[in-house]
Amino acid sequence: GESVGLHLPTLSVQEGDNSIINCAYSNSASDYFIWYKQESGKGPQFIIDIRSNMDKRQGQRVTVLLNKTVKHLSLQIAATQPGDSAVYFCAVYTSGTYKYIFGTGTRLKVLA
Amino acid sequence: GAGVSQTPSNKVTEKGKYVELRCDPISGHTALYWYRQSLGQGPEFLIYFQGTGAADDSGLPNDRFFAVRPEGSVSTLKIQRTERGDSAVYLCASSGTGGSDEQFFGPGTRLTVL
Repeated sequence: GESVGLHLPTLSVQEGDNSIINCAYSNSASDYFIWYKQESGKGPQFIIDIRSNMDKRQGQRVTVLLNKTVKHLSLQIAATQPGDSAVYFCAVYTSGTYKYIFGTGTRLKVLA
Repeated sequence: GAGVSQTPSNKVTEKGKYVELRCDPISGHTALYWYRQSLGQGPEFLIYFQGTGAADDSGLPNDRFFAVRPEGSVSTLKIQRTERGDSAVYLCASSGTGGSDEQFFGPGTRLTVL
């Protein structure tokens, strides 16, 4: 079946450094991709999205890169702050279906 | 409130019992999703409603799970004959029209089956 995986379960970074979280997906027909942040005891919160007709999208301190050739996307967080500590999920959507497939998540720990 | 709300926030039940979990979506959102999140995992799709109808229920694990949305707003996820393996956080999300519209998640209901 369709799968979405992440390369690292935990990522520790120094405050102020940049963070990169990766995600691989299996369905080449997938055309919409979202990164979510989930803090303890809360539901996932939308961070940034990208559609398959783009390969890069920037937000405030965050950038998502999409490589459709190798079915890989990444989330870059600039100048990581303590408030960025959370679990980050990628989610993949394929038009014509109704479901989002989530990855297993990467826990980001920001070290002071 | 303006966000998605879910009740109860925590539910402890005994194996074999019946439970209902409620989701109040954002007003006006026609699309509603239920997900299940086990510890250390990402949310797993269960069912998607567009209005009152279940457009995709392919994620429901078996016939003990059922969900309704009779008036196109509030939804209830019903689990019969609960098993210990049903223990998880059940998340609800809504979006304006579905598809690739942004989903807004509720805080979830933590279900523990003893």
